[in-house]
Amino acid sequence: LAKTTQPISMDSYEGQEVNITCSHNNIATNDYITWYQQFPSQGPRFIIQGYKTKVTNEVASLFIPADRKSSTLSLPRVSLSDTAVYYCLVGFKAAGNKLTFGGGTRVLVKP
Amino acid sequence: NAGVTQTPKFQVLKTGQSMTLQCAQDMNHNSMYWYRQDPGMGLRLIYYSASEGTTDKGEVPNGYNVSRLNKREFSLRLESAAPSQTSVYFCASAGDRASTDTQYFGPGTRLTVL
Repeated sequence: LAKTTQPISMDSYEGQEVNITCSHNNIATNDYITWYQQFPSQGPRFIIQGYKTKVTNEVASLFIPADRKSSTLSLPRVSLSDTAVYYCLVGFKAAGNKLTFGGGTRVLVKP
Repeated sequence: NAGVTQTPKFQVLKTGQSMTLQCAQDMNHNSMYWYRQDPGMGLRLIYYSASEGTTDKGEVPNGYNVSRLNKREFSLRLESAAPSQTSVYFCASAGDRASTDTQYFGPGTRLTVL
């Protein structure tokens, strides 16, 4: 399983854009990049997944450069409710696969 | 749909006691997982079941056993609890038609072993 490295924590303010970069230098050809969000006292929740270039949904955008050795999760105009831990995972896209959650990035949104 | 449900929500055990954590999903998913999360840490996979009738060890299986009772239910058993097993336990399932690998998590069971 590809190892990922992401910042331990980030602070931001309401209304700002938050960008979290994840490094995955040994990503395999068949690996996808997936981000989960976890609020305190809750289980993680799927945010977004991508393979290359850019993916956007109603919650976030995911930017993946051509070499795929890193990826950036972008949260536009964050609010206090976006305070959470964000996990970057890399792995083969298949049911029954094993996911490795690292320590994640703690994002604190301040008023 | 309730999604993934876990019981109990909280549990306190004494060292050496046993207990079973229950997990059920109503999304007709094939895969189910058990994770533990220690304070301030990420999740670590204990066991998983890729499909009904199969189970495999994850990253930290020692001290645990699992049973995939049927497609809906996946239980985690601690035979002789130890203080090191104090943690929050999350169950998850995957196998959605839209995205086969997206995992849906339950609310967690907070376990304290004294």
